[in-house]
Amino acid sequence: KAGVTQTPRYLIKTRGQQVTLSCSPISGHRSVSWYQQTPGQGLQFLFEYFSETQRNKGNFPGRFSGRQFSNSRSEMNVSTLELGDSALYLCASSWGLAEETQYFGPGTRLLVL
Amino acid sequence: GQQLNQSPQSMFIQEGEDVSMNCTSSSIFNTWLWYKQEPGEGPVLLIALYKAGELTSNGRLTAQFGITRKDSFLNISASIPSDVGIYFCAGQQKDSSYKLIFGSGTRLLVRP
Repeated sequence: KAGVTQTPRYLIKTRGQQVTLSCSPISGHRSVSWYQQTPGQGLQFLFEYFSETQRNKGNFPGRFSGRQFSNSRSEMNVSTLELGDSALYLCASSWGLAEETQYFGPGTRLLVL
Repeated sequence: GQQLNQSPQSMFIQEGEDVSMNCTSSSIFNTWLWYKQEPGEGPVLLIALYKAGELTSNGRLTAQFGITRKDSFLNISASIPSDVGIYFCAGQQKDSSYKLIFGSGTRLLVRP
């Protein structure tokens, strides 16, 4: 069974631009969570989607948004990029909502210049 | 954001040595997870713990869910070079959010 896939793996953007990241969960998994990982803040929860609805949200500004499609694939969007948005963005999938066992993808490394 | 207290921050050990790391919190958790992350990759789940006092092994790895539900530890026996990476603990509280809260990680280096 294929694991969680994320595209693109690497991305360079400039301040003020926007970016869209994609995540395909493990087949059969219906929940997708997004995390931001930085050296200073560690792994921080962004949001969780289940059945195309955002179920939980972390403490991030409204510039960070996401959505989930009917096939459980998810996208995350960051608008008006700031230098501090440079990070590894990780997607994790699980079978159900609030499922403890989450499986992570390899991440998208975003660099904002 | 809220984080678990994970220690030590880093360890540099000789191949063959045993390793121990732990996570503590002032809050009660219902689930503890241990992940390993290698450079350029996402965290990989090693062990999941669901009950206070539970002791679970996965090969050379052993983890325990503390009786107070506020801590967990991970032991690696007879370390090998491929154990190198960052180990994260994660806890989940069954509150309205269900989100995972992560420790700051333990960086493990193994000297052959």
